[in-house]
Amino acid sequence: AQKITQTQPGMFVQEKEAVTLDCTYDTSDQSYGLFWYKQPSSGEMIFLIYQGSYDEQNATEGRYSLNFQKARKSANLVISASQLGDSAMYFCAMREDNQGGKLIFGQGTELSVKP
Amino acid sequence: DVKVTQSSRYLVKRTGEKVFLECVQDMDHENMFWYRQDPGLGLRLIYFSYDVKMKEKGDIPEGYSVSREKKERFSLILESASTNQTSMYLCASSRAGGRREQYFGPGTRLTVT
Repeated sequence: AQKITQTQPGMFVQEKEAVTLDCTYDTSDQSYGLFWYKQPSSGEMIFLIYQGSYDEQNATEGRYSLNFQKARKSANLVISASQLGDSAMYFCAMREDNQGGKLIFGQGTELSVKP
Repeated sequence: DVKVTQSSRYLVKRTGEKVFLECVQDMDHENMFWYRQDPGLGLRLIYFSYDVKMKEKGDIPEGYSVSREKKERFSLILESASTNQTSMYLCASSRAGGRREQYFGPGTRLTVT
């Protein structure tokens, strides 16, 4: 069974608008971490934001925020005020603490920002 | 600034050749990882290492081996390259504790002909 599900293979957003990228996860662990990565066309994976399972507040990093709904097992990424440089693949990932430092990645969402 | 480097951005090898992919990190990270990325399949973990001379199999270790003789260096070895190993290979490193976010290298696009 998929542990990380990203249901949107591709998304379009107008420049300067906000966009939400969906991620749901499946784990029976109580202690885990959730991550979002950005992969531009150059290929390098860039770490964006982290949410721990015990964190009560939603994580924010600049224009990125993580909408964490623990009961629904969702960890959506919200990008505010989209820029052309935000066009990239975005991956959601999970670390289960009983599995050490390994990450499980979703299939990714390709975001295209229109001028 | 954190840095993970990989020995080549692009590599073309022939079927049956032995291939070495090198990864070096300068962050004194304990953990290191090798992934391959294929369209529609996302990132899949090949091998990882939590310490020098230690290695653990990931989800798709068949056809690969690894070596970690020094903390900063993690090598992926294709003993006898095959065309189905044509892929993008990504190396990453992380701390052993805390958030353990992984930092990635630029990737090596390997083509086996």
